[in-house]
Parts: sequence; C-alpha cells; structure tokens
Amino acid sequence: KAGVTQTPRYLIKTRGQQVTLSCSPISGHRSVSWYQQTPGQGLQFLFEYFSETQRNKGNFPGRFSGRQFSNSRSEMNVSTLELGDSALYLCASSWGLEKDEQFFGPGTRLTVL
Amino acid sequence: GEDVEQSLFLSVREGDSSVINCTYTDSSSTYLYWYKQEPGAGLQLLTYIFSNMDMKQDQRLTVLLNKKDKHLSLRIADTQTGDSAIYYCAVPLSGGYNKLIFGAGTRLAVHP
Repeated sequence: KAGVTQTPRYLIKTRGQQVTLSCSPISGHRSVSWYQQTPGQGLQFLFEYFSETQRNKGNFPGRFSGRQFSNSRSEMNVSTLELGDSALYLCASSWGLEKDEQFFGPGTRLTVL
Repeated sequence: GEDVEQSLFLSVREGDSSVINCTYTDSSSTYLYWYKQEPGAGLQLLTYIFSNMDMKQDQRLTVLLNKKDKHLSLRIADTQTGDSAIYYCAVPLSGGYNKLIFGAGTRLAVHP
C-alpha cells in the first residue's frame, strides 16, 4: 500500500511570490493535516481537511490556505511569501476518526530567498 | 493551551537502553504518540498508547504512561546506531480530531 506522497520535495521561491504544495493521502484515508516544521518553532499544526471541509485550523495568518478535493488529495497555498516561511511542510493522512493514527509524508522543503 | 515538553538531547552507548521522557498538560487525551524523524526525512509513527493503559511493549520499544503525573516515556532496548534520530512525543488536542501538539523533540545520539 503506497504511503503519503508530497510534491514537490524541494522548492525555492523569492519573497512576495506564492507557492502551492500538494499531498496525496494513503488510499482510503479521508483526512489530511498539514504541519510546518522549523528549527525555531518546531512542529506546528496548520490545518486539517476532512471530506473537502476544513475541520480544524492552527494559529497561522490568512496567507496560509488549503483545500481538499473529492479524491482526498489536498493542496496548501502560501501567498506573499516571507523569509520566515522557509520550512519543511509535512502532510499527514488518516481515516478521519477522532484521534486515530496519522501517517506522515516525507515533506516539502520550501526555501524563501 | 496544551503543552508538551521533552528533554532535547540524549546520548547512549550502543547496546544500552535509551529512555526518552515527555510531559504533557492535557489530561483528556485518549492517545499519546511517539514519532521518529531521521535526518532529511518525514515523521515515522513508532508507537502509541491508549490513555487507559500503563504500559505497552512492541519489540524493542516500551512505552510507559503515568496519567497522574502526565508523564510518558519511551524506552528503546539494545539501542543501535540506526536508532539515532529525533524522537517526538505528540498529543492530540482535546476535541481537535487530528490536531497533534508535538514536543520539541529529543535528539538521540548512539555512539559505539
């Protein structure tokens, strides 16, 4: 069974640009969560989507947004990039039940210059 | 809000046991997780424990939970160099479905 896949794996952007990251969950999983990992702040929850609806949201500015498609694939978008957005963005998938196991993808490393 | 704390660094000799500790604040969590992250990689779910359990053993891994003290530990028996990684304790936020709160991570260094 294929794991969680994320594309692209690496991305370099400049300040002010926008970026879209993609996540394909494990087949059958309906929940996709996104996390940002930085050396300073560690792992922080961005948002969670279940059945195409945002079910939970972390404390990030509105420049961070996401969506989920009917096949459960998810995208997250960051507009007007800032240097501080440089991070590893991790996607996790699960069945969507409360507090069930989450399986993480390898992440997308975003560098903002 | 929810807070999860871990010590940042642990160094052990190959073959010894490693014990990584974690404390959390939300006593209503029903599951508690341990993840492993190797350099340049994503997070790998190692094991988890239900909050109604005191202990769970899974091959070389033993998880101990003290609900009264809100303390979780991960013991790795016969630690190998391949166990060198960062280990994260994670707790789901109450009512937060799949919103996990992570500790800062414990870097485990295994030396010969």
